[in-house]
Amino acid sequence: GIQVEQSPPDLILQEGANSTLRCNFSDSVNNLQWFHQNPWGQLINLFYIPSGTKQNGRLSATTVATERYSLLYISSSQTTDSGVYFCAVENYGGSQGNLIFGKGTKLSVKP
Amino acid sequence: DTEVTQTPKHLVMGMTNKKSLKCEQHMGHRAMYWYKQKAKKPPELMFVYSYEKLSINESVPSRFSPECPNSSLLNLHLHALQPEDSALYLCASSQARESSYNEQFFGPGTRLTVL
Repeated sequence: GIQVEQSPPDLILQEGANSTLRCNFSDSVNNLQWFHQNPWGQLINLFYIPSGTKQNGRLSATTVATERYSLLYISSSQTTDSGVYFCAVENYGGSQGNLIFGKGTKLSVKP
Repeated sequence: DTEVTQTPKHLVMGMTNKKSLKCEQHMGHRAMYWYKQKAKKPPELMFVYSYEKLSINESVPSRFSPECPNSSLLNLHLHALQPEDSALYLCASSQARESSYNEQFFGPGTRLTVL
C-alpha cells in the first residue's frame, strides 16, 4: 500500500519562529489533507490540498503531486500551535475514503 | 454547520459490558467513517459507510459492530472488548465517495478505556 512519511518527527521552536513540515508519499493521490491534533485529541482540518498552494493566515501549504510531496509552512509560531501535525492521503485507485496517515510531526512552541 | 459531534467524550467499560459510541453530522454528508487511534500513533481506518451502506471493513474484529441508522448518524456497538482496545475512537464524515471533493471532517473523539 501507499507509504506516507513525515519529517521531522519532532520539532521544538521559540515563539515567533517559522517552520516547514514535510510529507512524502509513495504513490499517486486524489486526496491530501493536513491536520493539527490538539492535546485533547481533536483533529482540526488545516488544508485539503491534493495539488497546488493554499494559504490561511499564518499557515500555508503546497503539494507537488508529480513529485509526491507536500509542505506545510507555519510562520510566526505561537504556543497554541503546539500539538501533532498529520498529513493524510487517499491513494488514487485505492479504497475510496481510506485516509492513510503519516506518523505525524510533534511540534512544541516555547514562550 | 461544519461540525461532527461524538458522545460520550469518555467511556470506561469492563470486558463483559456492552456499550455504544455515537456520532452525528448535519453537513449533508453521505459518507461516514470510524477510525481508531492508539496513544502516540496515527489514526487507522476501521469502517466506511456510504449512503448508509457499509462499504469498507478494515478486518475489524466482530466485537466492534457498526451501524448507520440514517445519513446523519453513525453508531459503534462494543461487546466483549479487550484491554488492548483502549484507544481514542474518531468519527469522520465527507461528501459522497463518488464526489470529486472528499475532504473528511473529524469529531472530537471518544476516549475508551477497557478494564
